[in-house]
Amino acid sequence: NAGVTQTPKFRVLKTGQSMTLLCAQDMNHEYMYWYRQDPGMGLRLIHYSVGEGTTAKGEVPDGYNVSRLKKQNFLLGLESAAPSQTSVYFCASSLPGPRGSHEQYFGPGTRLTVT
Amino acid sequence: LAKTTQPISMDSYEGQEVNITCSHNNIATNDYITWYQQFPSQGPRFIIQGYKTKVTNEVASLFIPADRKSSTLSLPRVSLSDTAVYYCLVGPNNAGNMLTFGGGTRLMVKP
Repeated sequence: NAGVTQTPKFRVLKTGQSMTLLCAQDMNHEYMYWYRQDPGMGLRLIHYSVGEGTTAKGEVPDGYNVSRLKKQNFLLGLESAAPSQTSVYFCASSLPGPRGSHEQYFGPGTRLTVT
Repeated sequence: LAKTTQPISMDSYEGQEVNITCSHNNIATNDYITWYQQFPSQGPRFIIQGYKTKVTNEVASLFIPADRKSSTLSLPRVSLSDTAVYYCLVGPNNAGNMLTFGGGTRLMVKP
């Protein structure tokens, strides 16, 4: 099992450009999440999904959109990148049920710089 | 969501037992306590979860007193590879629960 994979690993964007980050998991998990982590800080939830075709806003959703067209994939889009979106982005997945949402499996991260 | 407070940093030496305490005074009845570990340039990794008393797995132990207003993660005989940031999270086990990662505790293990 590859677990949770993220594409790309690194990206540099100019202000105003758009891009899509791809997250894929092969564990058949129902739940998927997108977080951002700024230097020296904890993770903040951007958006999450509790199943194929469903998404919901997290703590810091502004400036991002997501889609979950297939159970194994969760896409994070930036329509018009801003320097404030420079961060490391982590995707995670988990099982449903009483314990599932707490035991999340994280990908390796995407380091995004917006100049 | 219950707010958590944990030390910003801790130092230890190889072979010692490390205890990291997290305060969560306003924990709710249906909240669980979960700990994650994060190495530099990697995503967090689930370590342990508990509701009350003591939980132990192959990596760590989690001690939760009766009032559940705090919890202690215990790492037995740490090695240099245990140098990482440790996060304490508190929240209900609901569908789509939003976990809140605070600043965590930066553990430095020295030789």
